[in-house]
Amino acid sequence: SQELEQSPQSLIVQEGKNLTINCTSSKTLYGLYWYKQKYGEGLIFLMMLQKGGEEKSHEKITAKLDEKKQQSSLHITASQPSHAGIYLCGADGPFQGAQKLVFGQGTRLTINP
Amino acid sequence: DSGVTQTPKHLITATGQRVTLRCSPRSGDLSVYWYQQSLDQGLQFLIQYYNGEERAKGNILERFSAQQFPDLHSELNLSSLELGDSALYFCASSPSATRVYSTDTQYFGPGTRLTVL
Repeated sequence: SQELEQSPQSLIVQEGKNLTINCTSSKTLYGLYWYKQKYGEGLIFLMMLQKGGEEKSHEKITAKLDEKKQQSSLHITASQPSHAGIYLCGADGPFQGAQKLVFGQGTRLTINP
Repeated sequence: DSGVTQTPKHLITATGQRVTLRCSPRSGDLSVYWYQQSLDQGLQFLIQYYNGEERAKGNILERFSAQQFPDLHSELNLSSLELGDSALYFCASSPSATRVYSTDTQYFGPGTRLTVL
């Protein structure tokens, strides 16, 4: 079965600094999703990547899926306190008539003023 | 606000009891998913329903069952509860059963926090 590993597990950065979170899969990624979760709350959809080499941006957050489609990175530019939370990557496999996501363990991001 | 609603927000019950969690998907979404999030296991897929039919099963215990009704809302039933069932239970919805288009994204509800004492 597919497994996702996120690194780092936690990250503390000063406000205004850039940061990167990685998500590595044990198998080919067919659909890679990034979500953000405020502690104890629901998941907020950020971006979805499907094609190797694809890159998407939303405000100051950019996500990429590498050419080999086994790793994705999430980059935040000029971090702000609103970026704090837990970032989760999720993935589904090739078309199998269903859409069950496997998630990484999450990266806890703290932004210090 | 994702458009997915879940009730109740919090639930405290005792071991051996049975509870029902309810989910209403986003307007127009036909698929409903249930996930369990715990500290030790992380976020785990439990089950998917599409237009009233079970579509996929994950790590769902036999004590747990779900259904999706004609109005597309879904319920997750948890019975013979154990301490280890304490977790956040999320419902998500998407337009279709599979990822055909980039818009077939799962949107999550706010969750139900279950505490079993």
